[in-house]
Amino acid sequence: DAGVIQSPRHEVTEMGQEVTLRCKPISGHNSLFWYRQTMMRGLELLIYFNNNVPIDDSGMPEDRFSAKMPNASFSTLKIQPSEPRDSAVYFCASSFRHTGELFFGEGSRLTVL
Amino acid sequence: GENVEQHPSTLSVQEGDSAVIKCTYSDSASNYFPWYKQELGKRPQLIIDIRSNVGEKKDQRIAVTLNKTAKHFSLHITETQPEDSAVYFCAASNGNYGQNFVFGPGTRLSVLP
Repeated sequence: DAGVIQSPRHEVTEMGQEVTLRCKPISGHNSLFWYRQTMMRGLELLIYFNNNVPIDDSGMPEDRFSAKMPNASFSTLKIQPSEPRDSAVYFCASSFRHTGELFFGEGSRLTVL
Repeated sequence: GENVEQHPSTLSVQEGDSAVIKCTYSDSASNYFPWYKQELGKRPQLIIDIRSNVGEKKDQRIAVTLNKTAKHFSLHITETQPEDSAVYFCAASNGNYGQNFVFGPGTRLSVLP
């Protein structure tokens, strides 16, 4: 298996632009998580899905952030409009709920100028 | 919701010495406690985990202990080596429906040669 696949790996954009981050979880995994990592805040859980259904989005910082999981093999995290304080590494991770181990993608490094 | 605290935030040890990192959690429903290692510029990767029906688990130079009554768990690394230098994260999760994975703030471990 190729593991969790994220794209893009790096994104540089200007304030106000829309950003879409993509994630393909490991096949057969039924839980998917989006995390944001910064030096100041560490690894913050933004939202997670079980069987494509959002379970807890209390970590999503504002209405500018939205996430979807239209099917078991694809998820998106969208920021619109983006702001400089959104600059961070965004990780997607997946797991098979009954075993628990979380597998991370390589992350998407976002820079908002 | 779950809250995970981790200490110390930074730790320096001499090569060959032991390192101990401690975490506490707040949600008594949490029953799965993994530890992740993140090297600079890379994704977090699982190094060891423990479930609530076990008090201690060991894998070569790494061990984890769990005290469910006190709601704390610890990572022990013996005979440290320079390649152990990284940021270590503890996490707590409820393996039942929901599986909320919350990470501690991380400990930056430096092993000095």
